[in-house]
Amino acid sequence: DQQVKQNSPSLSVQEGRISILNCDYTNSMFDYFLWYKKYPAEGPTFLISISSIKDKNEDGRFTVFLNKSAKHLSLHIVPSQPGDSAVYFCAATYSGAGSYQLTFGKGTKLSVIP
Amino acid sequence: DADVTQTPRNRITKTGKRIMLECSQTKGHDRMYWYRQDPGLGLRLIYYSFDVKDINKGEISDGYSVSRQAQAKFSLSLESAIPNQTALYFCATSDPMTAPRGYTFGSGTRLTVV
Repeated sequence: DQQVKQNSPSLSVQEGRISILNCDYTNSMFDYFLWYKKYPAEGPTFLISISSIKDKNEDGRFTVFLNKSAKHLSLHIVPSQPGDSAVYFCAATYSGAGSYQLTFGKGTKLSVIP
Repeated sequence: DADVTQTPRNRITKTGKRIMLECSQTKGHDRMYWYRQDPGLGLRLIYYSFDVKDINKGEISDGYSVSRQAQAKFSLSLESAIPNQTALYFCATSDPMTAPRGYTFGSGTRLTVV
C-alpha cells in the first residue's frame, strides 16, 4: 500500500508559467514533508520542506502548501524555467521514527517548454 | 570530489553472481542509507545504519546484505543476483542535526542483472 502518492507521472508547462505538482499521503503519523529534485544521472537533491505545524513554506520561486485535513501537499514553481525540468519526488517522514526514514512517492517528471 | 561517492556507476552482472556496491562519504555523517529506485516507482529503503555497530533493515531488505566498514563506508551486497534486482541504487547520508532535510544522495549505481 503506497503511503505517499504522486498520481501524475508527468507534467508539461510553458516557460514563465506556474508548475503545480501534487502529492497525497495516507499515513496520519507523517509530520514532515519534503520535495526532492532529480536530474538524469544524478542523485536526488533536497528542494524544500514543510513541517505539519505549517501550511505554507516559501523559498524563492518554490512554495509548498500543506492541507493536513485532505492529506495533500503541493509544490508550486513560479515562474517555471527550463532548468526546472527534472523528476520531482515527494517524501514524508515522522519525527517519532527517530531515524527520519523517508517514504517517497513515485515521482513526477516536469518538462518546462521554452 | 563528491560528498557521497558510489562505485561502480554502472554494472551488468549475471543471475546468481555475487555483487557488491560501494559507497563512501566525506560528509562526516554517522547515518547512511541504501535506497533502490525502479522505473515508475519511488525510492525504497533497503538498509540503513546509524553507526558502525548499528545496521537496520528497511522496507525491502530481502536478497540484500550490508556492511558498514567504517563511518565513511557502507557497502551493499547482492549474494545471488536475480533479474528483478535490476534497478538504480542510491546511497545517502544524513546529519541528525538537520534531519530530515539533511539527506545527501550519491549519483547512483545502475545495476542490470541478466
